[in-house]
Amino acid sequence: DVKVTQSSRYLVKRTGEKVFLECVQDMDHENMFWYRQDPGLGLRLIYFSYDVKMKEKGDIPEGYSVSREKKERFSLILESASTNQTSMYLCASTLTGMNEQFFGPGTRLTVL
Amino acid sequence: AQSVTQPDIHITVSEGASLELRCNYSYGATPYLFWYVQSPGQGLQLLLKYFSGDTLVQGIKGFEAEFKRSQSSFNLRKPSVHWSDAAEYFCAVGAAGSGTYKYIFGTGTRLKVLA
Repeated sequence: DVKVTQSSRYLVKRTGEKVFLECVQDMDHENMFWYRQDPGLGLRLIYFSYDVKMKEKGDIPEGYSVSREKKERFSLILESASTNQTSMYLCASTLTGMNEQFFGPGTRLTVL
Repeated sequence: AQSVTQPDIHITVSEGASLELRCNYSYGATPYLFWYVQSPGQGLQLLLKYFSGDTLVQGIKGFEAEFKRSQSSFNLRKPSVHWSDAAEYFCAVGAAGSGTYKYIFGTGTRLKVLA
């Protein structure tokens, strides 16, 4: 069965901390994505990756960076967390080309 | 620019009633269209997708959607809603770049089902 896992379901961090969100997929998918989900705003794309070590900015990359050193793992990094980054973060992956996305359960991040 | 509009933020229906959730998209080329469902505390799950061919698409859990190019719409329907259908529903359009693919989501419609 297809699986996308995220390292934490809930995370509480302090302003200014460096935060790592990890996502792992076991489907040998080429493409991986990070979204943030906020009420009334839907899902907004932060970054995506179409191959190992390859990344592309989404619609709201400011304040975030990503790392993809292995095909199955895609990390989202908040260099210096701020309160406006309090949100639900969703990771997704697709096989190749235009395709169905498989989503992880999400990480609800609170920055105090 | 590509965009997806879901005009209804909240919809309430009685169990057994029919359902239609609206989705309008803006995309220059032939759209790749998706509907996802998100149950509370969960990630998103694909209900159905349209890439080409028959404009009436069947999905899981008894859902269907119809692609209407002239109206730039991809509305989701279900003839008889069950209490377990209470969730948030997202419409999305796939956008192809130079060898890359990304997806633009609507803001979602939250469905409440009355017993």
